[in-house]
Amino acid sequence: GENVEQHPSTLSVQEGDSAVIKCTYSDSASNYFPWYKQELGKRPQLIIDIRSNVGEKKDQRIAVTLNKTAKHFSLHITETQPEDSAVYFCAASNSGGSNYKLTFGKGTLLTVNP
Amino acid sequence: KAGVTQTPRYLIKTRGQQVTLSCSPISGHRSVSWYQQTPGQGLQFLFEYFSETQRNKGNFPGRFSGRQFSNSRSEMNVSTLELGDSALYLCASTDSPLANTGELFFGEGSRLTVL
Repeated sequence: GENVEQHPSTLSVQEGDSAVIKCTYSDSASNYFPWYKQELGKRPQLIIDIRSNVGEKKDQRIAVTLNKTAKHFSLHITETQPEDSAVYFCAASNSGGSNYKLTFGKGTLLTVNP
Repeated sequence: KAGVTQTPRYLIKTRGQQVTLSCSPISGHRSVSWYQQTPGQGLQFLFEYFSETQRNKGNFPGRFSGRQFSNSRSEMNVSTLELGDSALYLCASTDSPLANTGELFFGEGSRLTVL
């Protein structure tokens, strides 16, 4: 089955700096890659996703890039703010498959220092 | 629309007991998934239900079970609790028929502590 590795497990940046979180996946059939943000004590929420027919997607200060050949995808946050502090999870799935689940990475705790 | 609702939010049990957790999905969502969240292990898939049928189950022992009712509400049960079952149990619903694309809407979770 699919295996998703996520790095780093913790990341500390200064406010205004950029943050990059990287994930690799094992199943070449995976074609859907969402990112979820979980603030302390809150539920995970989808912040951005990308499908394998595109290489990059942006939404304001957040961008995701995908390299299908290398089987890795990354989350980029620019101009970080204290409210970006949270745990970020990447995930992968084969949207045409029948396993009916997302496989998540173990998460990255991002701390943005004022 | 109301979000995904999980009950109870917190519970404390002792080893050997059993527990039942409940999840009410967003109205109209027929797929309900359950995930176990522990520090350092991320979100581990437990099972997924659609129209009262379990379509997939993760790598958890048989002590973990679940079901879905005709109104899409779901319950999960853990029998013979062990200390290692202490975790946040998250339920998620989606209107995606295959549950593996599109947004998962999570509940706030049920935090189980086993003493």
